[in-house]
Amino acid sequence: DTAVSQTPKYLVTQMGNDKSIKCEQNLGHDTMYWYKQDSKKFLKIMFSYNNKELIINETVPNRFSPKSPDKAHLNLHINSLELGDSAVYFCASSQTVPGELFFGEGSRLTVL
Amino acid sequence: GENVEQHPSTLSVQEGDSAVIKCTYSDSASNYFPWYKQELGKGPQLIIDIRSNVGEKKDQRIAVTLNKTAKHFSLHITETQPEDSAVYFCAASRRSGGSNYKLTFGKGTLLTVNP
Repeated sequence: DTAVSQTPKYLVTQMGNDKSIKCEQNLGHDTMYWYKQDSKKFLKIMFSYNNKELIINETVPNRFSPKSPDKAHLNLHINSLELGDSAVYFCASSQTVPGELFFGEGSRLTVL
Repeated sequence: GENVEQHPSTLSVQEGDSAVIKCTYSDSASNYFPWYKQELGKGPQLIIDIRSNVGEKKDQRIAVTLNKTAKHFSLHITETQPEDSAVYFCAASRRSGGSNYKLTFGKGTLLTVNP
């Protein structure tokens, strides 16, 4: 049973397109996150939701819009993709804050 | 905001040797310090964590030490094995408002254990 699952695992697209990444967790956790990992492996938080409510919104371009339809799902939509958006995007969840983060396997986005 | 520095960026050891990775943090309000291991093609996974009321914690071959006065913490892996090869991240967490906490990661250490 996959605890945190993300789709798609790989995404190759052209500049200017719009794309979405979906995330689901079956751990019953209240808090979910999106992290971006760049080519140098640097992990940076983008957003955090607690029970469908946005609680952390880092300095991310407003082309990125998270949506949490329920506490088990956190999706990421990106408009007008740019070359610099190429990265691996990780979804994560946690039960306690601060506490252990459970990461998905990542979604590698390549913008051409 | 919080700044977490991690050293070294790469570390190569012989199987059976010990490995030490060090991190410093800037915000004295940080009170939770986890370490994550990331294998190739996978998401990071927690291997050990320590809270600010504890100076040292051990779990089999892995130990973490915390010096709050100096604002640094270290990961120690003894009797390294080839399967310990991975990227290791330290992190520090502080309250970001209300009951919310923000986790800031170091830049990672690529550990290679040579058989």
